[in-house]
Amino acid sequence: DAGVTQSPTHLIKTRGQHVTLRCSPISGHKSVSWYQQVLGQGPQFIFQYYEKEERGRGNFPDRFSARQFPNYSSELNVNALLLGDSALYLCASSLAPRLAGGAEQFFGPGTRLTVL
Amino acid sequence: KNEVEQSPQNLTAQEGEFITINCSYSVGISALHWLQQHPGGGIVSLFMLSSGKKKHGRLIATINIQEKHSSLHITASHPRDSAVYICAVRGGADGLTFGKGTHLIIQP
Repeated sequence: DAGVTQSPTHLIKTRGQHVTLRCSPISGHKSVSWYQQVLGQGPQFIFQYYEKEERGRGNFPDRFSARQFPNYSSELNVNALLLGDSALYLCASSLAPRLAGGAEQFFGPGTRLTVL
Repeated sequence: KNEVEQSPQNLTAQEGEFITINCSYSVGISALHWLQQHPGGGIVSLFMLSSGKKKHGRLIATINIQEKHSSLHITASHPRDSAVYICAVRGGADGLTFGKGTHLIIQP
């Protein structure tokens, strides 16, 4: 069985451009979460989607948006890129947004975004 | 907002040593995750626990809910255990809150 997949693997953009990152969850998983990991730091929560609806949002500006499709894959969009958006963007999928005791999350390999 | 603190930040040990990584958090949680991240970024989930202790191979994770503290232990450490170990907690409606990670190097 395929794990969580993300595309592209690497991406280089310039300031002011926009970017779309894609994530396909493990088959059967309906929840997708997005995280940003700046070099040397732990990941930061951006969004969580379940059944195509936003279920949680971290402390990120409106330049960040996401959506989930009927097949549960997801896109993360970032507009008006800044140098500080350079990071590893991780996607994680789980069976449900949260269960008693929490639902195990399975992480994709990430997309490394560099903004010049 | 939950604050997650890990210690030590960096740890270098010799092959075979017993390793302990600690995690403390400030607010009650529903679950705590231990994750392993190798160079290149991929994250692997090691444990998810809400009470007591779990063991998988040479890895052991414990949590004390009253103390708001968890530990990850590695027995008979090996160079292939070298990685960043990250503690993450889930409290309310939002996603996981992560610690900054512990950089572990096991020397042969």
